[in-house]
Amino acid sequence: NAGVMQNPRHLVRRRGQEARLRCSPMKGHSHVYWYRQLPEEGLKFMVYLQKENIIDESGMPKERFSAEFPKEGPSILRIQQVVRGDSAAYFCASSPSRIPSTDTQYFGPGTRLTVL
Amino acid sequence: AQRVTQPEKLLSVFKGAPVELKCNYSYSGSPELFWYVQYSRQRLQLLLRHISRESIKGFTADLNKGETSFHLKKPFAQEEDSAMYYCALSSGGYNKLIFGAGTRLAVHP
Repeated sequence: NAGVMQNPRHLVRRRGQEARLRCSPMKGHSHVYWYRQLPEEGLKFMVYLQKENIIDESGMPKERFSAEFPKEGPSILRIQQVVRGDSAAYFCASSPSRIPSTDTQYFGPGTRLTVL
Repeated sequence: AQRVTQPEKLLSVFKGAPVELKCNYSYSGSPELFWYVQYSRQRLQLLLRHISRESIKGFTADLNKGETSFHLKKPFAQEEDSAMYYCALSSGGYNKLIFGAGTRLAVHP
């Protein structure tokens, strides 16, 4: 099992462009979480998805950000019209279920987004 | 509000010295608490969870509900313990994690 995969690892965009971040969960995992880490801060929850469903998007900015986890293929975090403040590391985690006492979240290596 | 506080950005000790990384939390229900670790050039990984009451790599952490703390301790630090440590709280039924800002542990020879 290769673990959680994220690509690209580094992404540079100019202000106003779109950024697409991909996350492939571990085999057998149907729960995906996205977190954002700004410099000098801890990871902040953004969104929780199961296949074809957004379960909790309470941490997502109201505008420009969207996420999906289709039946086939990776989960995608999409940021439209990026601004400098979107520069951060974006981490994806997957787990086999949503029970914290028994199921660990496994993290990907992250995508570092830089907005020029 | 649900919050995790790690008051120290950096903790610097010598090999063999005791280590305590502090974590305080604010949560209205029954918390599920975790310590995650990120070694240089590696992914964030779970170190231990309070419900397991286990010791991993010599580290232990006890949940103190009265003081709302979950400090991470190790009696004798090793150089390979140098890493970034994050305390985290599981919030509600969806298992989303609330992280502290992290403490960098540097163990010197």
